[in-house]
Amino acid sequence: QKEVEQDPGPLSVPEGAIVSLNCTYSNSAFQYFMWYRQYSRKGPELLMYTYSSGNKEDGRFTAQVDKSSKYISLFIRDSQPSDSATYLCAMSQSRGNMLTFGGGTRLMVKP
Amino acid sequence: GAVVSQHPSWVICKSGTSVKIECRSLDFQATTMFWYRQFPKQSLMLMATSNEGSKATYEQGVEKDKFLINHASLTLSTLTVTSAHPEDSSFYICSARIDSGRAGDTQYFGPGTRLLVL
Repeated sequence: QKEVEQDPGPLSVPEGAIVSLNCTYSNSAFQYFMWYRQYSRKGPELLMYTYSSGNKEDGRFTAQVDKSSKYISLFIRDSQPSDSATYLCAMSQSRGNMLTFGGGTRLMVKP
Repeated sequence: GAVVSQHPSWVICKSGTSVKIECRSLDFQATTMFWYRQFPKQSLMLMATSNEGSKATYEQGVEKDKFLINHASLTLSTLTVTSAHPEDSSFYICSARIDSGRAGDTQYFGPGTRLLVL
């Protein structure tokens, strides 16, 4: 079993839909949780950063962390075709240190 | 802010040659940089942690003599793939960690280098 599980997709939604992306993990020592967006043939771009449990909102993006369930989510409101990319969750035990990535979910937003 | 560059963006080489990839933090200092490789439709796999002024720490299964890492300054780390073979063809991505000491610091990634070994 992988430390971080993420549905690979692809997830196809119409423009304007609310998208829910999720990861589950097994290591209770993870404290820092991140979501990255990666376009094809590009490096990952940091979208959201959350420490411990709770919600964080930034524009159309909302990140949720539920440490009791070892479950994190990223919600994208009013999805746009430009949101089409692979979304990677990542987590670490200590600030800024070794990241453990999920396998990534490929999202396609159709106009 | 927090821009990381990589050079070259892509490289094609013959089998047996060595290839050097540079990773630079453009607007911040990074005592720690990380090197990843990514195969098509797969996630990033950490290869090694590069520490300025000291030897890199390699992940299990990564050959340190094949993937030479040098972190000579606070803004530059290099990865040299020695005697490259076709199976080394991959997307190599570096990241740099900001050392500001505040909560919220994390790794910022470069755009990646695509290596094709013929």
